[in-house]
Amino acid sequence: DTGVSQDPRHKITKRGQNVTFRCDPISEHNRLYWYRQTLGQGPEFLTYFQNEAQLEKSRLLSDRFSAERPKGSFSTLEIQRTEQGDSAMYLCASRETTGTSPLHFGNGTRLTVT
Amino acid sequence: KQEVTQIPAALSVPEGENLVLNCSFTDSAIYNLQWFRQDPGKGLTSLLLIQSSQREQTSGRLNASLDKSSGRSTLYIAASQPGDSATYLCAVRMNTGFQKLVFGTGTRLLVSP
Repeated sequence: DTGVSQDPRHKITKRGQNVTFRCDPISEHNRLYWYRQTLGQGPEFLTYFQNEAQLEKSRLLSDRFSAERPKGSFSTLEIQRTEQGDSAMYLCASRETTGTSPLHFGNGTRLTVT
Repeated sequence: KQEVTQIPAALSVPEGENLVLNCSFTDSAIYNLQWFRQDPGKGLTSLLLIQSSQREQTSGRLNASLDKSSGRSTLYIAASQPGDSATYLCAVRMNTGFQKLVFGTGTRLLVSP
């Protein structure tokens, strides 16, 4: 068990550019989540996958955001035409199917939009 | 809409003290509640998960209780150590079939030697 892995750890981009983040969940976990966290706040839910199916999306996920999980393994989160308000820590988490299993988070990707 | 509040926002204690962190939520129709720890610049580490039918969970020096009807949970840390310094977050999952967790804003704990 190597834990949830996220890449890159940090990303600095200019406003208007597109960025893509990758998440590799714990291998036997079929449920994968994306959250966004700004300074001093708790994480906010963005989206949820069960295997390759995206089953929940927050209203926070505007049409500039898209997430995929091809083949039900790793996931990518893309932000198009970035804005300064997109600056945040983007956290990925995974867990097993059973309702009693806890959520395991990665160390996040910190995005700074200049 | 579920709202989760954590009090206090920050807490500073000397090493060895026992302490209690509080979490309250407005909608009692929860599926479970989870306590996390977050170190600066890092992701979250799950500490304890309490199902809605449970009253408490224990792990080492940590004990979490849940009173669903009053919308409250507490995290008790015994014999605090400097290594316990971190932000502690609670999160609830609703009993609606949705998967998302609703987080509080956390309690920032500093344990001084």
